[in-house]
Amino acid sequence: GNSVTQMEGPVTLSEEAFLTINCTYTATGYPSLFWYVQYPGEGLQLLLKATKADDKGSNKGFEATYRKETTSFHLEKGSVQVSDSAVYFCALRVPSGGSNYKLTFGKGTLLTVNP
Amino acid sequence: DTEVTQTPKHLVMGMTNKKSLKCEQHMGHRAMYWYKQKAKKPPELMFVYSYEKLSINESVPSRFSPECPNSSLLNLHLHALQPEDSALYLCASSQDGRGDTQYFGPGTRLTVL
Repeated sequence: GNSVTQMEGPVTLSEEAFLTINCTYTATGYPSLFWYVQYPGEGLQLLLKATKADDKGSNKGFEATYRKETTSFHLEKGSVQVSDSAVYFCALRVPSGGSNYKLTFGKGTLLTVNP
Repeated sequence: DTEVTQTPKHLVMGMTNKKSLKCEQHMGHRAMYWYKQKAKKPPELMFVYSYEKLSINESVPSRFSPECPNSSLLNLHLHALQPEDSALYLCASSQDGRGDTQYFGPGTRLTVL
């Protein structure tokens, strides 16, 4: 089956620190990979995505590269801000021959950035 | 525009009440989803509608009843809920069943007393 493993939080950083949140996956087929962010009291927002090996997704200073050889999609940001404090979910979806709707999520990583 | 809207933002209901959650999107998406999210957990898929027809029911209790009146609207009717049903209910949409990206609404925070 499909599964996503992401690093357990919480992660606490100081402003302007470098961020890495690890995400590895197991999938049958060739998944599309996503990072979603959930700010306190809000729904999920798509942060970035990649649909094939070696693709790099990027948005708002965040980046993640689809690494098929290591089955990974680690999230990075060079300099975090207090406003980046949120829960980050790694997710995958495997398009099948028919329709495959299901997103498989990791457990989420809580990031807290202190001034 | 990638906006999915949900109303109400908050809902408190008793176990004997009947209430409805509403979701709307105007992106021309033909697949819509209901998710349930408990605190500190990832969202769990409940229902999927594709081209206004129910495609997936993830063994959800019958006290939750989804409805898709048209391609832009998705409702979730609630009746005789239990306190353990208290959660954040998220709606999402994607272009179609093969659409890669699901876009989520802000959610309805439901409390069952």
